[in-house]
Amino acid sequence: HSVLAQPPSVSGAPGQRITISCTGSSSNIGAGSDVHWYQQVPQTAPKLLIYGNNNRPSGVPERFSGSKSGTSASLAITGLQPADEADYYCQSFDNALSGSPWVFGGGTKLTVL
Amino acid sequence: DVRLLESGGDLAQPGGSLRLSCAVSGFTFRNFAMAWVRRAPGKGLECVSSLNGPGDMIYYADSVKGRFIISRDNSKSTLYLRMDSLRVEDSAMYYCAKLRGETYPTYHFDSWGPGTLVSVSS
Repeated sequence: HSVLAQPPSVSGAPGQRITISCTGSSSNIGAGSDVHWYQQVPQTAPKLLIYGNNNRPSGVPERFSGSKSGTSASLAITGLQPADEADYYCQSFDNALSGSPWVFGGGTKLTVL
Repeated sequence: DVRLLESGGDLAQPGGSLRLSCAVSGFTFRNFAMAWVRRAPGKGLECVSSLNGPGDMIYYADSVKGRFIISRDNSKSTLYLRMDSLRVEDSAMYYCAKLRGETYPTYHFDSWGPGTLVSVSS
């Protein structure tokens, strides 16, 4: 199982608002590590969507926003569009692992109804 | 423009070996940590290995430790992943990714290549 827990799927109608949660622990998000979000459209490479908990890279619409509190974080998407249909991953740094410290959530598949 | 381009993915037999390469341009390669991230069919993203700019701080996922070796040639702006003792479960799309951040807890993958496909099957 993934170090960071995400719901397997979420859905929403065009124009609606959805949120995707990312739950960690005291060795990653709760330790103050930043949370980042990626969007992966089928058959393409992942794309950085949010970095440093709530910052958007150049070119990412304001419809996408991130937040963090305690041992959890959330990605919100407003004004859902069909093009938003993709897999979304959270990522953070874990200070208690024996292997790679950069960890991803299991991913959430967003379906736009 | 930052560009990353992987190569070397192929069909390999269990127990076999492959070497992946990632040629980069558009940034000062030696100044940035780099990583290999994979996505197996039906699964999520996994950072299998990463290394810092000088190449002397290296991490491996437990799933590949002792079988994969990451390296870089800063004079050629190229990242490598040597994969030995391949297993069926290593089958995945492998992405080269650039790491960015001020400190390790802030590091994120800000640029990605299109990926190279590794299939391990008898």
